[in-house]
Amino acid sequence: ETGVTQTPRHLVMGMTNKKSLKCEQHLGHNAMYWYKQSAKKPLELMFVYSLEERVENNSVPSRFSPECPNSSHLFLHLHTLQPEDSALYLCASSQETGRPLYGYTFGSGTRLTVV
Amino acid sequence: AQSVTQLGSHVSVSEGALVLLRCNYSSSVPPYLFWYVQYPNQGLQLLLKYTTGATLVKGINGFEAEFKKSETSFHLTKPSAHMSDAAEYFCAVTHAGIQGAQKLVFGQGTRLTINP
Repeated sequence: ETGVTQTPRHLVMGMTNKKSLKCEQHLGHNAMYWYKQSAKKPLELMFVYSLEERVENNSVPSRFSPECPNSSHLFLHLHTLQPEDSALYLCASSQETGRPLYGYTFGSGTRLTVV
Repeated sequence: AQSVTQLGSHVSVSEGALVLLRCNYSSSVPPYLFWYVQYPNQGLQLLLKYTTGATLVKGINGFEAEFKKSETSFHLTKPSAHMSDAAEYFCAVTHAGIQGAQKLVFGQGTRLTINP
């Protein structure tokens, strides 16, 4: 148990479906992140939330829509995805006081397959 | 902007042999450096980190890394490899990000294989 829980662990969806990924942390952290991990590519930072406000969106297509209703929960809403969006989506959290002295705590990820 | 380069996408060593995974960074400010490990179908787990102070840092599972400013390196080592060390390893550096939530910039990863 890492302290960051992601559900579901696996998701298969069609290109016309709408689904959501969920991330939950009970570490008292105040920042949360979505990363995309594709085969043979570096980890890509998608979104950053600090104190429940989105502070960064790294040119992510609008078919990905994040939501952070409180400091413990983070969602990634998906709609009309493409096959190239198939990847492992990782959530992370951290306690920020200026610089990440403690690094991130990662969840186990959601393996997404778009068919 | 910060960046990380991991030399070698695949490293293979024999059980009991020395493990050396290379990481070079680029940073315009004093860096904070991290090594993470990822086992199959899992998230990333922190192995060790360098922030300030002693340049040789020890982490979990017998791993250690040395920060060498003159070489802009933060190589990961373990004296004797174990089969359970087979995984993907990521080096990361802080990024001069937005107030309140800093970003880690990751290298492309190195897959470590242990031969019996």
